[in-house]
Amino acid sequence: QQQVKQSPQSLIVQKGGISIINCAYENTAFDYFPWYQQFPGKGPALLIAIRPDVSEKKEGRFTISFNKSAKQFSLHIMDSQPGDSATYFCAASWTDKLIFGTGTRLQVFP
Amino acid sequence: NAGVMQNPRHLVRRRGQEARLRCSPVKGHSHVYWYRQLPEEGLKFMVYLQKENIIDESGMPKERFSAEFPKEGPSILRIQQVVRGDSAAYFCASSPFEGFQPQHFGDGTRLSIL
Repeated sequence: QQQVKQSPQSLIVQKGGISIINCAYENTAFDYFPWYQQFPGKGPALLIAIRPDVSEKKEGRFTISFNKSAKQFSLHIMDSQPGDSATYFCAASWTDKLIFGTGTRLQVFP
Repeated sequence: NAGVMQNPRHLVRRRGQEARLRCSPVKGHSHVYWYRQLPEEGLKFMVYLQKENIIDESGMPKERFSAEFPKEGPSILRIQQVVRGDSAAYFCASSPFEGFQPQHFGDGTRLSIL
């Protein structure tokens, strides 16, 4: 019940395309859903986050879609760029600790 | 504004030695979280500390691992008698008060066990 399942494990997208990463959870007590971006040798950096009282949040090229009834949320990266190539983690929290998905390695080719 | 600072960035130990990982939170933050990332895996919560208190250590292995966050100075994650399976990246995050999100992460300590 503490798990957050993330897919796909890896993703290859052409420059300018849309990257979509999906996550699912079981624990309905989760009330905070962030996405982190991690480059090799670096720590996770917060990209965008959402709370369950909204169904979508957009910041620049990044959008979170949240489906409370299905207990799923997804990250959409519009106009994907080579600089977006990184590993992306979804996470969920209801107390202070974050429960992370297993990560998606995104490669954007020019 | 300094973010979360972790040192050392890389640490090599032989089996049986002790490893000490340090984390200085964002200035003004009194809550620290430690996470471990095994190769090709996501981050796993280990422990949550406030100054001088362990709040949640549900993710800490029962033996060999300990953590502290003294009144003065950085938080320390200590691993005694290291084994090859302890090889991982250890990340620290901080927040200013309980329940605050987002947590800000440091760049981690990469621990390698020979």
